[in-house]
Amino acid sequence: KQEVTQIPAALSVPEGENLVLNCSFTDSAIYNLQWFRQDPGKGLTSLLLIQSSQREQTSGRLNASLDKSSGRSTLYIAASQPGDSATYLCAVKSGNTPLVFGKGTRLSVIA
Amino acid sequence: DGGITQSPKYLFRKEGQNVTLSCEQNLNHDAMYWYRQDPGQGLRLIYYSQIVNDFQKGDIAEGYSVSREKKESFPLTVTSAQKNPTAFYLCASSIEAGRSYNEQFFGPGTRLTVL
Repeated sequence: KQEVTQIPAALSVPEGENLVLNCSFTDSAIYNLQWFRQDPGKGLTSLLLIQSSQREQTSGRLNASLDKSSGRSTLYIAASQPGDSATYLCAVKSGNTPLVFGKGTRLSVIA
Repeated sequence: DGGITQSPKYLFRKEGQNVTLSCEQNLNHDAMYWYRQDPGQGLRLIYYSQIVNDFQKGDIAEGYSVSREKKESFPLTVTSAQKNPTAFYLCASSIEAGRSYNEQFFGPGTRLTVL
C-alpha cells in the first residue's frame, strides 16, 4: 500500500530565504505526483503536477523535482515571502487508486 | 468562472440528524471525490466516483453515503451512524480517475460541527 511522508511537519524561516520541502513515497511505481497549498480553513490549491516521465516542473518561484527511483520529491521555494505561509501537501497517483496524500508541512515565513 | 463549489461553508448538526453536503463542478470532470480532514490526520478519502451512477468506498466510508445522478453533482450525506462527524469536508474533481493525466482540483470546503 502506498504511503506518503512529509518531513518536517512544520518549518519556520525568515523572509527571503530559499527553502526545500520534502516528500517521500514507498512505492516508486507512480503515474504522477502533485503538490498542493492549503491556507487555514480553505480548500487545497494545486501548485504543480509532475508526470512520472518528468524530472521537474516550475511555476514562478516554485520548482518541484521528482526522483521516482528513490521515492522522493522536493518543492523548492525561492526568495520566500510571508504570503507563502501555508500548509504544503504532496500526493501521489499510482495504480487505479485515487491520490494518496501526505500529512503536509506547515510553513511559516517570518517578516 | 469554472470551478468547484461547496455549500454550505459552515454546517451545524444535532446528534442523530442526517445532513447533506453539496458539491457542484462545472469543469466537465468525470471523477469526483470526498475527503475528510481532521487536525494532524491529513486528508482521508470517504467516497469517490469515476462516472455518473457509479461510486466506490474510500478508506472511511462508514456512516456516509453519496449519489452521482448528474456529472456535475456529488452530494455527501453524513448519517447519524457516523459517530464523530465534526470535521472539515473537502470535495474534489479530476478529468478522469484513471492513471493518466489527472490533476485534481478542490472546492473551498464545508466545516461540519455536531452540537
